[in-house]
Amino acid sequence: SAVISQKPSRDICQRGTSLTIQCQVDSQVTMMFWYRQQPGQSLTLIATANQGSEATYESGFVIDKFPISRPNLTFSTLTVSNMSPEDSSIYLCSVGGRMNTEAFFGQGTRLTVV
Amino acid sequence: AQTVTQSQPEMSVQEAETVTLSCTYDTSESDYYLFWYKQPPSRQMILVIRQEAYKQQNATENRFSVNFQKAAKSFSLKISDSQLGDAAMYFCAYRSAGGGSSNTGKLIFGQGTTLQVKP
Repeated sequence: SAVISQKPSRDICQRGTSLTIQCQVDSQVTMMFWYRQQPGQSLTLIATANQGSEATYESGFVIDKFPISRPNLTFSTLTVSNMSPEDSSIYLCSVGGRMNTEAFFGQGTRLTVV
Repeated sequence: AQTVTQSQPEMSVQEAETVTLSCTYDTSESDYYLFWYKQPPSRQMILVIRQEAYKQQNATENRFSVNFQKAAKSFSLKISDSQLGDAAMYFCAYRSAGGGSSNTGKLIFGQGTTLQVKP
């Protein structure tokens, strides 16, 4: 298993600003995933982050809006840029990979944009 | 592309009774995993149960069991002896397996089912 610490747990931000969410894992992992969960909805994958390479974004998500860093095998950040109220969601970090049969999740960051 | 469908937005069950949550999926792959995750109000995603597609035997974890029908692409979750702590949103999820490029570890989620447990 993996223990994931995600910060901040919640934040209220002004529109037009940016927020960086951090994800720290207690072990080295190949892949890290960032999901968005809009209010009352399911989880949608934003991107997959591998260490040492650019993140792979899913359809509908772009790097300019959601830049991701993956400096090492235990840490990643997701930035939500130029925020609007439509970005109000829960953002979850997850780890897993080819050799892991299940995914582990951080506690999530509840973002409210006003 | 793979899809996961949960057709029950909300379900309710009386405490100590049994409830079944439905999930169907679509894939052309033969090797994959299926999961049920629980998300209580704390937002933490908790793995409830896992099923490997190559296993014919249905997975069981204490009060939780699945009915995996591979040909029908159906994966339902049965909760027996429901408890108040089972109240949460439940997500069915799919993950590719095998050695192909689609096996990145990412999960595809259904829409979720909110389970209410009545005392």
